Amino acid sequence: ETGVTQSPTHLIKTRGQQVTLRCSSQSGHNTVSWYQQALGQGPQFIFQYYREEENGRGNFPPRFSGLQFPNYSSELNVNALELDDSALYLCASSPSQETQYFGPGTRLLVL
Amino acid sequence: KQEVTQIPAALSVPEGENLVLNCSFTDSAIYNLQWFRQDPGKGLTSLLLIQSSQREQTSGRLNASLDKSSGRSTLYIAASQPGDSATYLCAVSGSARQLTFGSGTQLTVLP
Repeated sequence: ETGVTQSPTHLIKTRGQQVTLRCSSQSGHNTVSWYQQALGQGPQFIFQYYREEENGRGNFPPRFSGLQFPNYSSELNVNALELDDSALYLCASSPSQETQYFGPGTRLLVL
Repeated sequence: KQEVTQIPAALSVPEGENLVLNCSFTDSAIYNLQWFRQDPGKGLTSLLLIQSSQREQTSGRLNASLDKSSGRSTLYIAASQPGDSATYLCAVSGSARQLTFGSGTQLTVLP
């Protein structure tokens, strides 16, 4: 158990819709990162938040956005969903930008 | 741009065998390297973390080595067991602490 939880576990949306995925970290973990993992691939970095500010972004379009809250929870928002957005979305938190602790993920299917 | 490659993509071995998984990366300016385990449809479990200044780390039957100058790491699993069956992912962390993953090695240990 990493102490990182994600909700929902599974989600089905249709193309063009918007989705919000949630992550709850351990107390004191002031860094949170989000990753997208397509089937059969390794996770790809979406962005990282440190003390509620975006602190780095991977090669993802602006329709992927995020928020980090003072209570160590965070959100990943994806607008205008595309079929290729179907993936496992992983949240990882860290107390000091060192070892990252991953949640179980949210599996998103876009039809 | 950092790229991480894992060889082989899949491996099937009989129980009790010792095995080696390989990881290579293109940019040697890393902060650390981690090996993760992922069970089907699940999140990531950190197995070993090697800081850039270290050469190896050990945990139980697992030993990971790092040769930063040549851009290589190996994960050695001793006396493999069916419970070791999973996908093993290698990831490197740069100065921004974001992880760049390989595509993983899918390991099957046959009883």
